[in-house]
Amino acid sequence: DAKTTQPNSMESNEEEPVHLPCNHSTISGTDYIHWYRQLPSQGPEYVIHGLTSNVNNRMASLAIAEDRKSSTLILHRATLRDAAVYYCILRGGGAGSYQLTFGKGTKLSVIP
Amino acid sequence: GAVVSQHPSWVICKSGTSVKIECRSLDFQATTMFWYRQFPKQSLMLMATSNEGSKATYEQGVEKDKFLINHASLTLSTLTVTSAHPEDSSFYICSARNLAGGPNEQFFGPGTRLTVL
Repeated sequence: DAKTTQPNSMESNEEEPVHLPCNHSTISGTDYIHWYRQLPSQGPEYVIHGLTSNVNNRMASLAIAEDRKSSTLILHRATLRDAAVYYCILRGGGAGSYQLTFGKGTKLSVIP
Repeated sequence: GAVVSQHPSWVICKSGTSVKIECRSLDFQATTMFWYRQFPKQSLMLMATSNEGSKATYEQGVEKDKFLINHASLTLSTLTVTSAHPEDSSFYICSARNLAGGPNEQFFGPGTRLTVL
């Protein structure tokens, strides 16, 4: 599986935007970029995913670099409930490629 | 939205006993379910992939005779930790792939905290 690199931790002030970076320089043309987050003592929660174009949903935005070697998850206004570990994961686009390989992720702390 | 439940949410058992953990997709059918293990302050590690009606596929280093997986229906998969020992204490999480697909294809359960004394 292609590997992703994320900062170990980040801090944000409450109600400010947060930009969580992810490098994936070995991404292949069919790899989807997925973001999940895990709150303490809970299972991971889907946040967003994309292939080439930027994506928006009610939780976040995903900005994908033109060469697809990096992406940024954007939380528009961080709240205390957004404090979690955020995982950037590449998933193959082939049939049957549904496994998700979790790295260490970025632990986001939100300061009131 | 699609919901995956796990039962029990936590369990404490004595060394040498077996523990069964259930994973259910409540409002969708799941042909594929995944089992993960997460030790404190570490990331999730995939243990096995379970397909309905067939044998599970285990990741390298995971003992299939110790971690028995049964996926008997499109909504239920079970993980049995046989002859549990303290080193098996961990957070076990399942996920289920929605047969109908959609923007998010995998949904995770809330996890089961296993403590082996």
